Amino acid sequence: DAKTTQPNSMESNEEEPVHLPCNHSTISGTDYIHWYRQLPSQGPEYVIHGLTSNVNNRMASLAIAEDRKSSTLILHRATLRDAAVYYCILRDNTDKLIFGTGTRLQVFP
Amino acid sequence: KAGVTQTPRYLIKTRGQQVTLSCSPISGHRSVSWYQQTPGQGLQFLFEYFSETQRNKGNFPGRFSGRQFSNSRSEMNVSTLELGDSALYLCASSLGGLVQYEQYFGPGTRLTVT
Repeated sequence: DAKTTQPNSMESNEEEPVHLPCNHSTISGTDYIHWYRQLPSQGPEYVIHGLTSNVNNRMASLAIAEDRKSSTLILHRATLRDAAVYYCILRDNTDKLIFGTGTRLQVFP
Repeated sequence: KAGVTQTPRYLIKTRGQQVTLSCSPISGHRSVSWYQQTPGQGLQFLFEYFSETQRNKGNFPGRFSGRQFSNSRSEMNVSTLELGDSALYLCASSLGGLVQYEQYFGPGTRLTVT
């Protein structure tokens, strides 16, 4: 299983943009990049996923490097509710998610 | 649409006992996956069932087993409990298949082994 590397923690102020990086240098051509987050005392929650092109949805944007060896999850305006652990996951064509240690995001008012 | 439900939410068992956890997926979802979350090991994949068949399995001992019923509901069983099995057990469901559908997680069952 291909691995991802993320910073242990990041901080942001409310209403500022947040860029959460993820390195995945061993990604294979068919691996999708998924992001999930886990709020305190809850199960993980899907955020966004992509293969090669940048992706946007109502929660976030995903910017994927041209060589696909890294990606960045972008929260355009952080809110207190966005404080969570964010997981970057490489997923093959199965329903098996291999979670790393994730990035703990703190958001300050 | 109702979310993924897991029962029970909390459970206390003694070493050597066995336990069965239940998961009801979102209506229409055919894939159910199970994960174990501990402070030391983080979130680890246990197994995945699709249309009553185990499709993927993680690196856990044979004491951990599961099954899926025709209505997609799933159960996970752990036999001969050990202290290290204390964890949050999470179930996730998705439409399944080869498309990259997102997984929806339940709130989990907190198992404490004493």
